Amino acid sequence: DAGVTQSPTHLIKTRGQQVTLRCSPISGHKSVSWYQQVLGQGPQFIFQYYEKEERGRGNFPDRFSARQFPNYSSELNVNALLLGDSALYLCASSPVIYNEQFFGPGTRLTVL
Amino acid sequence: AQTVTQSQPEMSVQEAETVTLSCTYDTSESDYYLFWYKQPPSRQMILVIRQEAYKQQNATENRFSVNFQKAAKSFSLKISDSQLGDAAMYFCAYRSPEGTSGTYKYIFGTGTRLKVLA
Repeated sequence: DAGVTQSPTHLIKTRGQQVTLRCSPISGHKSVSWYQQVLGQGPQFIFQYYEKEERGRGNFPDRFSARQFPNYSSELNVNALLLGDSALYLCASSPVIYNEQFFGPGTRLTVL
Repeated sequence: AQTVTQSQPEMSVQEAETVTLSCTYDTSESDYYLFWYKQPPSRQMILVIRQEAYKQQNATENRFSVNFQKAAKSFSLKISDSQLGDAAMYFCAYRSPEGTSGTYKYIFGTGTRLKVLA
């Protein structure tokens, strides 16, 4: 079975722009979580979605938003990009909300 | 607020030897999960081991085992018979119990880089 996939792999944006990152969970997984991992640090929890509903939110500004689609794939949107948004964005899926999470390879976002 | 602390930025171990990575956390909850994740260079993060807080028995997965001290809020990872493939960043993580509206929070430590010497 295919693992969690994320697109794009790399992305370069400039300050003030908007970006959309995509995640496809493992087949049969209904929960998707998003994390931000700044270089040299641990992942920071951004959102968790289950059955298309938000079920968890970390301490991120409203510039960050997400949604989950009927096929359980998910998008993370970041508006008005700042230099500090440069990071590896990880997506993780799980069968149900409280199970083990399986991580994708991440999208590396660079904001210039 | 919950926190997870990994006080060892880097550790080294000789191949075939045993190493212990430390993790402490702070929470006022009694029912939660703790995890150790491994992130090899430029590769995906994978779960190494998990521990349910309500279980007193320490979790074990092959060469990996934990020492869970709930009262001390300590959760260390022991790797026995270290192999070159164990070299990676190791993250300790906490998952909160289900909150209002069925929500959860996940908190990761800053990681420990493990080097395995041949």
